[in-house]
Amino acid sequence: EDQVTQSPEALRLQEGESSSLNCSYTVSGLRGLFWYRQDPGKGPEFLFTLYSAGEEKEKERLKATLTKKESFLHITAPKPEDSATYLCAVQAWSSGSRLTFGEGTQLTVNP
Amino acid sequence: GAGVSQSPSNKVTEKGKDVELRCDPISGHTALYWYRQSLGQGLEFLIYFQGNSAPDKSGLPSDRFSAERTGGSVSTLTIQRTQQEDSAVYLCASSPGRLKETQYFGPGTRLLVL
Repeated sequence: EDQVTQSPEALRLQEGESSSLNCSYTVSGLRGLFWYRQDPGKGPEFLFTLYSAGEEKEKERLKATLTKKESFLHITAPKPEDSATYLCAVQAWSSGSRLTFGEGTQLTVNP
Repeated sequence: GAGVSQSPSNKVTEKGKDVELRCDPISGHTALYWYRQSLGQGLEFLIYFQGNSAPDKSGLPSDRFSAERTGGSVSTLTIQRTQQEDSAVYLCASSPGRLKETQYFGPGTRLLVL
């Protein structure tokens, strides 16, 4: 069974204080690992897809990395508008097209 | 272009009533997915459509839940004889249908069963 565990559950940062969110996964044959951002009352917004260990992707203040067991979402010099819940999901070759999600990390960036 | 749209955005119903939730995918996307997000739980997969057929409906929690897709576009998720535990946000996503594709989500329908 595919499993995704995100940590920490909640993270509070000061504006400009860089940090990382963790996504540990267990899957039989990774097809892709996805990061989404979800604001309150809205649907998840796509951020990144990573396909193989060693891959990295960047977008503004965010950088996602992938190893064979986990992914990190690095947030550099965050701003209050980065406050949201960040969701990690995996897609396995054995599970077809479905995504298996972690429970998310709720990030709050204080000014 | 337009993203995934869902209607209604909010639905309040009484226990035992039937509800229909609608999803309009991104134009041209052949794959469509339904997920459910409950308080304190992550998103859970319900059903996947490729075109009008559903090769994976293993996530539907009971036979009260059904879904269909017509014309390779709009999908309807129906919950019969709603129960209080059905209260959740129901999210629809679509993807181009090619290998290793990204799923794009709609805003969701918030269902409250009283």
